[in-house]
Amino acid sequence: SYELTQPPSLSVSPGQTARITCSGDALPKKYAYWYRQKSDQAPVLVIYEDSKRPSGIPERVSGSTSGTMATLTISGAQVEDEADYYCYSTDSSGYHWVFGGGTKLTVL
Amino acid sequence: EVQLVQSGPEVKKPGESLKISCKGSGYSFTNYWIGWVRQMPGKGLEWMGIIHPSDSDTRYSPSFQGQVTVSADKSISTAYLQWSSLKASDTAMYYCARHAPYCSDDICYTGGIDYWGQGTLVTVSS
Repeated sequence: SYELTQPPSLSVSPGQTARITCSGDALPKKYAYWYRQKSDQAPVLVIYEDSKRPSGIPERVSGSTSGTMATLTISGAQVEDEADYYCYSTDSSGYHWVFGGGTKLTVL
Repeated sequence: EVQLVQSGPEVKKPGESLKISCKGSGYSFTNYWIGWVRQMPGKGLEWMGIIHPSDSDTRYSPSFQGQVTVSADKSISTAYLQWSSLKASDTAMYYCARHAPYCSDDICYTGGIDYWGQGTLVTVSS
């Protein structure tokens, strides 16, 4: 079955840039979506269709893709950005969706 | 305002059946796929399946096919997730989520999740 691969954890200092990657064979042809989940809360959409930002998400949060990798970038990371981040996309058929394993971002 | 409101927490015994619900409001319920996502304690998000309420077209993750049933009643804008025989390993938080379509060259496709329900905690214990 199709898989999306993320690093389990990433740690940055406040003000640094955090880059979270997500690799999958179908990503050159299928959009990536990114979600932020803070402790005991429902996930929230932060990037859709590879690089678009929903209203309310700050400009320092951005998304990009290159080949089989999608990247979520948080510029000037703040303590409030600490959360688990998940990528989401479909397999090549477009019928089955899958989440990446999640990346725990620590800002300290 | 788009809202997905899920039913309350459940405590069940192994072998019992269960049906949880997700009511959509603030948008045209029959125009969007609704999906279900599992999150086991301390673990990541898992896609279970989706349904299009207009015609009940349903797709399941291979991991959940045959283990759960996804359904919808468009007359009351509600989607459901049900089990016929619960196991202790079904203990988890379950989220419903709306999938937003995207269109390209006059063809529209199923897009990713744009709105989430608040989650329903299901605990299965003897």
